Amino acid sequence: GAVVSQHPSRVICKSGTSVKIECRSLDFQATTMFWYRQFPKQSLMLMATSNEGSKATYEQGVEKDKFLINHASLTLSTLTVTSAHPEDSSFYICSARDWSGGAGKETQYFGPGTRLLVL
Amino acid sequence: EDQVTQSPEALRLQEGESSSLNCSYTVSGLRGLFWYRQDPGKGPEFLFTLYSAGEEKEKERLKATLTKKESFLHITAPKPEDSATYLCAVQAGGANSKLTFGKGITLSVRP
Repeated sequence: GAVVSQHPSRVICKSGTSVKIECRSLDFQATTMFWYRQFPKQSLMLMATSNEGSKATYEQGVEKDKFLINHASLTLSTLTVTSAHPEDSSFYICSARDWSGGAGKETQYFGPGTRLLVL
Repeated sequence: EDQVTQSPEALRLQEGESSSLNCSYTVSGLRGLFWYRQDPGKGPEFLFTLYSAGEEKEKERLKATLTKKESFLHITAPKPEDSATYLCAVQAGGANSKLTFGKGITLSVRP
């Protein structure tokens, strides 16, 4: 299957600093990428949909000025957590939609996740 | 509103004991139903996509089936390495519509 990478896999930062997480589709082009947040023993919570070359669409309750998303190329989307606070500590997972199977046959592949700890 | 319900919440099996995981869904216009496997501390790993009722897909000890109301993930003769959380998700509507996830089923297979 297709491969999606994330970097870094783990990051620890001080409160008030900003952290950038990269998501790359390695063997396919992704016009659409997604960012999720996952709390312990819970399912994935969609934060935003990232479309290449346009502004991201945020889910209700997600602060767009705090979670900046940029999708500047067909293989890269970034999530920047600005002025991070301890409550932003979480597991962040990106995914990318692969259209190579044809119309109506798209598949969504996930990255390995990034563990963020804000002290 | 699209809804996905997975049951049971947790399942414990003995190695070799076959069973099925259930995913019930309510959507208007199913575009695809997805099964993923997630290990602790990792991102979900893609298993299957099913697009229409009656469709079946297999991979090693796993077989996914789909009806108009639910999907089953059948696990035949499971091994301890099949222990994981299995997530079901549906996509409805247009091509760029988001996935709606169930809460997942945590499977433990004892040797």
